[in-house]
Amino acid sequence: LAKTTQPISMDSYEGQEVNITCSHNNIATNDYITWYQQFPSQGPRFIIQGYKTKVTNEVASLFIPADRKSSTLSLPRVSLSDTAVYYCLVGEDSGGYQKVTFGTGTKLQVIP
Amino acid sequence: SAVISQKPSRDICQRGTSLTIQCQVDSQVTMMFWYRQQPGQSLTLIATANQGSEATYESGFVIDKFPISRPNLTFSTLTVSNMSPEDSSIYLCSVEDGLLGTQYFGPGTRLTVL
Repeated sequence: LAKTTQPISMDSYEGQEVNITCSHNNIATNDYITWYQQFPSQGPRFIIQGYKTKVTNEVASLFIPADRKSSTLSLPRVSLSDTAVYYCLVGEDSGGYQKVTFGTGTKLQVIP
Repeated sequence: SAVISQKPSRDICQRGTSLTIQCQVDSQVTMMFWYRQQPGQSLTLIATANQGSEATYESGFVIDKFPISRPNLTFSTLTVSNMSPEDSSIYLCSVEDGLLGTQYFGPGTRLTVL
């Protein structure tokens, strides 16, 4: 499984754009990159998923360079409610399903 | 995306007892997963449950300690057997949904063992 490396924590002021970068140097050809958000005492919530280039949805954008060895989650204009842990995962095709490994995640603290 | 519920949401148990956690999905899914999240830690995969076959356990987890049932395409149970305080964790189930195999998670079961 491709290992991911993210910053342990980040602080940001309300209204700013936040970019969280994840390194996955040994990502395989068939692997997808997925980001989750987790609030305390809740299950992880799917944010966005991509394979290459740029993906955007109503919540975030995901930037993946051509070599796919890293990815950046971009959260526009964060609010206090975005304070959470963000996990970057790389899925491995394992006999018909994507097997994922959760790393340490990035604890984002949004400051008023 | 699939909607997942878990029962109980939390429990406090005595050491040496067992607890069965239920996971219910609102649609039929092939793959279901069970994770453990110890206090302040990330998620660790316990096992993968495919309907109609035996669960596949990750290194460090055994069937005698964490028996899993998967009787149909919308339901699974995880039992934590012969509990000790070290089993105090949040237990989460997830399902794989969609073409890209995205996993969606239940709300979790917070277990405290005294």
